Amino acid sequence: DTGVSQDPRHKITKRGQNVTFRCDPISEHNRLYWYRQTLGQGPEFLTYFQNEAQLEKSRLLSDRFSAERPKGSFSTLEIQRTEQGDSAMYLCASRGWTEKETQYFGPGTRLLVL
Amino acid sequence: EDKVVQSPLSLVVHEGDTVTLNCSYEVTNFRSLLWYKQEKKAPTFLFMLTSSGIEKKSGRLSSILDKKELFSILNITATQTGDSAIYLCARGGSNYKLTFGKGTLLTVNP
Repeated sequence: DTGVSQDPRHKITKRGQNVTFRCDPISEHNRLYWYRQTLGQGPEFLTYFQNEAQLEKSRLLSDRFSAERPKGSFSTLEIQRTEQGDSAMYLCASRGWTEKETQYFGPGTRLLVL
Repeated sequence: EDKVVQSPLSLVVHEGDTVTLNCSYEVTNFRSLLWYKQEKKAPTFLFMLTSSGIEKKSGRLSSILDKKELFSILNITATQTGDSAIYLCARGGSNYKLTFGKGTLLTVNP
């Protein structure tokens, strides 16, 4: 399967703990996006990478959130000192070079903060 | 603030019915309009529209974009229970990031 993959698929943590999620995009895609989706809402943009460069961050991405894509391939999203409000589905999507490309989503990581 | 507004928010129909889902958007940095289907997992891509007035079609689903009036519709004919899902509309903007609406929850009853 050459689609976008995410790991883990589910994560339960206690408030105050740090968590890290991984996304592996489609191999030839240079653009990578993170979104967050809560119940009853559409996904909301968090951050965008072109190759290894983080080119855009949403104001939703507080200081407790950090994302990296060190070699321009996989990406990680870390949340420090988790809060109950961080409970959500974290979605990764990737996209290729050309104008006519679309974004393809991974299966998501569902985070529950107790 | 970029906005995408979908209507209705929920819809219940019987198998065989035809449905029309609506999506309106703001024009700032518009690049494309996308439709996704979401069941109990990540969104799966349906259509991407960039040109006004050109219908995209895939089986019983079709979609069209009106760039003058800033809206798009998604039609599903001869609905089946497997069409039950949340249908998300998204506007592609700067850096091709997507701004989503809240979605339309479609329930198709047998």
